[in-house]
Amino acid sequence: AAGVIQSPRHLIKEKRETATLKCYPIPRHDTVYWYQQGPGQDPQFLISFYEKMQSDKGSIPDRFSAQQFSDYHSELNMSSLELGDSALYFCASSQLGYSSTGELFFGEGSRLTVL
Amino acid sequence: SQQGEEDPQALSIQEGENATMNCSYKTSINNLQWYRQNSGRGLVHLILIRSNEREKHSGRLRVTLDTSKKSSSLLITASRAADTASYFCATEKNDYKLSFGAGTTVTVRA
Repeated sequence: AAGVIQSPRHLIKEKRETATLKCYPIPRHDTVYWYQQGPGQDPQFLISFYEKMQSDKGSIPDRFSAQQFSDYHSELNMSSLELGDSALYFCASSQLGYSSTGELFFGEGSRLTVL
Repeated sequence: SQQGEEDPQALSIQEGENATMNCSYKTSINNLQWYRQNSGRGLVHLILIRSNEREKHSGRLRVTLDTSKKSSSLLITASRAADTASYFCATEKNDYKLSFGAGTTVTVRA
């Protein structure tokens, strides 16, 4: 079965550079989530999209932006990168239920290293 | 952590033993989910328990939920080396997103 695809898997950038991460959700899933996981940390919610519209925003820095396109893929753009942005970035997708979030399907993550 | 706190932070057991980890949370929830993460990999959904459920089983996994104490436990029975991973609880309030706890790192010794 198709899973959530993230690219690139690994990315190395210098401070103050820009990075773009891509996510292709599972077909027919209507919701995409982005999470950031620092070393030894729990995943922190960044932002989500429902049917291509931003649905919620978490602890996402102003330097980061994201969007979901007409083909449902999503991109997370990170500018003016800082050392502290080094982390695993996960995309997840789900099919929202009527009243709650069900199981999230996670991609393998994109590991960003900022030097 | 935004919502859940997990206990213990780390657990080392012998193959065949049971592993129990706990999760506490702060606000009312719609459901609570448990995920497993192998080192540096994506999170894999294990089980979901809704706020009106008290216990759920899936294979060697047993999850309990006590909404009065705002806590949940995950029991892995007859552990195997392949169960070595970090386990996270995640809660969903009425906001269609999951908030993850700090995770329990489980090491199963052969």
